[in-house]
This record gives sequence, C-alpha cells and structure tokens, in this order.
Amino acid sequence: GAGVSQSPSNKVTEKGKDVELRCDPISGHTALYWYRQSLGQGLEFLIYFQGNSAPDKSGLPSDRFSAERTGGSVSTLTIQRTQQEDSAVYLCASSLIAGTSGSYNEQFFGPGTRLTVL
Amino acid sequence: RKEVEQDPGPFNVPEGATVAFNCTYSNSASQSFFWYRQDCRKEPKLLMSVYSSGNEDGRFTAQLNRASQYISLLIRDSKLSDSATYLCVVKGSKFYFGSGTKLNVKP
Repeated sequence: GAGVSQSPSNKVTEKGKDVELRCDPISGHTALYWYRQSLGQGLEFLIYFQGNSAPDKSGLPSDRFSAERTGGSVSTLTIQRTQQEDSAVYLCASSLIAGTSGSYNEQFFGPGTRLTVL
Repeated sequence: RKEVEQDPGPFNVPEGATVAFNCTYSNSASQSFFWYRQDCRKEPKLLMSVYSSGNEDGRFTAQLNRASQYISLLIRDSKLSDSATYLCVVKGSKFYFGSGTKLNVKP
C-alpha cells in the first residue's frame, strides 16, 4: 500500500515568505507527527496529532509555526515569515495509533521536504 | 538534559565485526522503546522495537535495562549495508529521538 507522502520534496524560498508543507499519512493511521532535522542533527519534535484530540504543539519553536490536520487525514505545516534558521528537512510520520503497544507505535516516515530559506 | 542521549560516533568497524550501541533516557516513566535506522539523506525506518525481556532479529539484538534507563543494540557479523545512523527512540507522552550513532562498516 501507499506510504506516507510529502510535498513538495524541495522548497527554496526567500527570507520573510510564508511556506506550506503537506503530509499525506498512511490511510487509517490516526496519529501524525511533524519533525524537523537540520543537517547532521537528530530529529526535533514539532507537533503531534492523535485522532480528534487537541494536538500537542509543545515542540513548535515559535508562533511563526502552525499546523493543522483536516478530516483526520492530510496535514499542513505552515511557516510564516521564514528565517534562514528554518532551513532543514521537515519530516512527517504517521502511526496506527499512539497507544502503548509497541507494534502500533511504529512510525512510518515520509521522504521529507527539504526547505532552504535564502 | 536531553531526553535521549546517544554517542554520536562514528563507529568505524570492519566487515564481520560485532558492534554495540548504547542509549540512555531520562524519563523513568517511558513506555516504549525502539531502534530506527536512517540512511544518509533518507527518512528513518524502524529497525526493531525493544522489549523488556530483550529481543533478537537475525544479527540484531536489543536490550532494555529499565533500572539503569538504558537501551542497547548489538549488531553481529556487520555487513557493509549496515552502514547508517542508528536512532534510539523512547516514547513517554510523545516520541523522543536521540541524535543517532553513525556506523561505518569498512571492507
């Protein structure tokens, strides 16, 4: 079946512009996560959606970052007034549920969107 | 203090070697534990979950020590294709990823 898809794969933008990154999770997965990864660094958690619950936004670095998930499926991460330090790979992942059982927690990652802010 | 800490490496080993990675986590209430593998410029992929009793998958063995709050991954008979970054992942209220340990397997 189809995996997690993200678009665009690459985005180059000018400082100060807004960008939207899209994530299509695996069908039926109720949990969706956004991370970012700077070159040579680990994954930094940004935001997490679980079903109809309020999202966990605790990882968003500033109020320029926001995300929404429509209809429990597709998610959009929006970065307003982009800065050069926002340059990174933005990874989306989904999992079946976000319970405690190991197998259900497996996160499947999309290929990422490489964002470059000039 | 980071939630999950790993030795960044790199670990440079010859083919056929046995190599072990450790990872420590700070939250004793953490519930689930995983090792992910990430190839250069690719997305992470699940290598294996880590269970309390320890578990093995072919050449890979994972161990969990809750008392000391560390997780280990042992790779036996290393292959060139094992070269990657190995991410330790801990789930409490959310997922916490370590920065990864880089492994280079040389011919």
